[in-house]
Amino acid sequence: QVQLVESGGGVVEAGRSLRLSCAASGFTFSSYAMHWVRQAPGEGLEWVALISDDGSDKCYADSVKGRFTISRDNSKNTLYLQMNSLRAEDTALYYCARDWGRDGYNYSDYWGQGTLVTVSS
Amino acid sequence: SYVLTQPPSVSVAPGKTARISCGGNNIASKSVHWYQQKPGQAPLLVIYYDIDRPSGIPERFSGSNSGNTATLTISRVEAGDEADYYCQVWDSSSDHRVFGGGTKLTVL
Repeated sequence: QVQLVESGGGVVEAGRSLRLSCAASGFTFSSYAMHWVRQAPGEGLEWVALISDDGSDKCYADSVKGRFTISRDNSKNTLYLQMNSLRAEDTALYYCARDWGRDGYNYSDYWGQGTLVTVSS
Repeated sequence: SYVLTQPPSVSVAPGKTARISCGGNNIASKSVHWYQQKPGQAPLLVIYYDIDRPSGIPERFSGSNSGNTATLTISRVEAGDEADYYCQVWDSSSDHRVFGGGTKLTVL
């Protein structure tokens, strides 16, 4: 069965860096685009970044562009999110999610359980 | 950038029909997807491509998309449907995934 397991969250001081990982299993990871989506405490879902199946195409939300980098290692079935210059407003539960759809980028049919990032100011 | 607008809350009695709207400029030209999120859980896809239902999602869940409004309809609402619901599109003009602000469905 499809599994997405995030890790790497924790408490970090503002201005510092953190790298999140998402281990995928149960499907051919290299065939799917992947997303990071975050949710601040008590708030709604916010899309963070997307990477295409082969890693050649990357898109970022305006709020993280220039600070966060999405990447993947298809040989390790793992998705990453490198987060630099962290701010208090980056505090959130970070989900990885698989993209699926008949053309382009569409919806997420599988989500991990999330990893919590807390940025202290 | 593209904006999706949802009502913050919708309340409905058990057995009745709940309708959750998602407004966006000419949203009918986009594919709309809906997620259900219960407390402490990851989002769950309930409708994709405006009207399609993933396997395992009850037929009580349906969707529509016309003009500037997409709608998630839940018929014969049950207590277990109480959750936050989010609409989502892919905005190809900005290459951004966009979520609505979410609607809290309360079953009275």
